[in-house]
This record gives sequence, structure tokens and C-alpha cells, in this order.
Amino acid sequence: KAGVTQTPRYLIKTRGQQVTLSCSPISGHRSVSWYQQTPGQGLQFLFEYFSETQRNKGNFPGRFSGRQFSNSRSEMNVSTLELGDSALYLCASSLDQGYNSPLHFGNGTRLTVT
Amino acid sequence: AQTVTQSQPEMSVQEAETVTLSCTYDTSESDYYLFWYKQPPSRQMILVIRQEAYKQQNATENRFSVNFQKAAKSFSLKISDSQLGDAAMYFCAYTGNQFYFGTGTSLTVIP
Repeated sequence: KAGVTQTPRYLIKTRGQQVTLSCSPISGHRSVSWYQQTPGQGLQFLFEYFSETQRNKGNFPGRFSGRQFSNSRSEMNVSTLELGDSALYLCASSLDQGYNSPLHFGNGTRLTVT
Repeated sequence: AQTVTQSQPEMSVQEAETVTLSCTYDTSESDYYLFWYKQPPSRQMILVIRQEAYKQQNATENRFSVNFQKAAKSFSLKISDSQLGDAAMYFCAYTGNQFYFGTGTSLTVIP
């Protein structure tokens, strides 16, 4: 079974631009969550989607948004990029809605904002 | 608020030796799950081990085991017979209404 796929692997953007990251979960997984990883901060939760509905949202500004499609694929959008948005963005899928299901992670998208 | 603390930013261990990574968490919940994830240089986070809070028995997966002290809110990971492939960042995670991760411990394995 294919794992979680994130595209692209690397992105370089300029301050003020917007960016869209894509995530395809493991087949059969309906929950997709997104995390921002920066050195010293660990993983910060962005949001989680289950069956096309945002179930939970972390403490990030409204410039960060996401959505999930009927095939469970998810996209994350960041508008008006700032230098501080440079990070590794990880997507994870899980089998069901409960938080006892382990997360399965993709390889991440490395975003650099210049 | 739920928080997860990993107080050891870096650790090192000789190959074939044993190392313990520390993790503490803060919660008012009684039912939750705890996880250890490993992130090698390839960046992909891999599940190492999982512990249900209602189970008193410590989880074990081959060379990996945990010491779960619920009253102390402590969840340490022991790696026995360390191998070069164990070198990675290790993240402790707690799940309440979402996953909360610690800041990670970078483990170096010395040949």
C-alpha cells in the first residue's frame, strides 16, 4: 500500500506570495492533519480534516488554510508569505477519527521564503 | 493546556549500548495515548511505539520499550542494543483532542 505522498518536496517563494501544498493520504485513511516543523519548536499542529470537514485547528493565523476533497486528498494554502513561514510542512493521515490511531507521515514539503 | 516536554535536546550512545530518552507531559485527562516517533534524515516520521494510558503494562516493540509512569506523567523510551540506524530525531507525542509533540531529542549512535 502506498504511503502518504506530499508534493512538492521543496519550494522557494518570495515574501508576500502564496503557496499551495498537496497531500495524498494512505488509501482508506479519511483523516488528514498538517504540521509545521521548525528547529527548536518541534511539530506545531495546523489543522485536521476528516471526511472533508475541518475537525480541529491549531493556533495559526488565518493566512493558513486548508481543505480536503472527497477522495481524502488535502491541500494546505498559505497566503501573504512571511519569512517566518519557512519550515518543513508535514502531512499525516490516520485511519479514523479517533486520536488513538497512529499518524502516518509523508516526507514533508520544505518551504523556504526569501 | 496539554504540553509535552523533552528535556534532552541531544543524546549520544555507543553502538550496542542502551539509551533512555525522557519525556514528560501535562494533562488533566485520564484516558489518552502516548507515542514515540522517529525522524531520520530522510525526514519521514516513523511510529516507534504506542502506549495506552489505561494500560499499566509498559509497551515493548523489539529493542524499544517504554517506562510509563502515569502518576508522574512520564513516558521515557529505552533503546536496547543501539544500532547505527537508530540515529535520528525522536519525538514524544500525547493525544488528547489532537496530537501534541515535544521538541525532540537528537540521538547520535557512535560506532
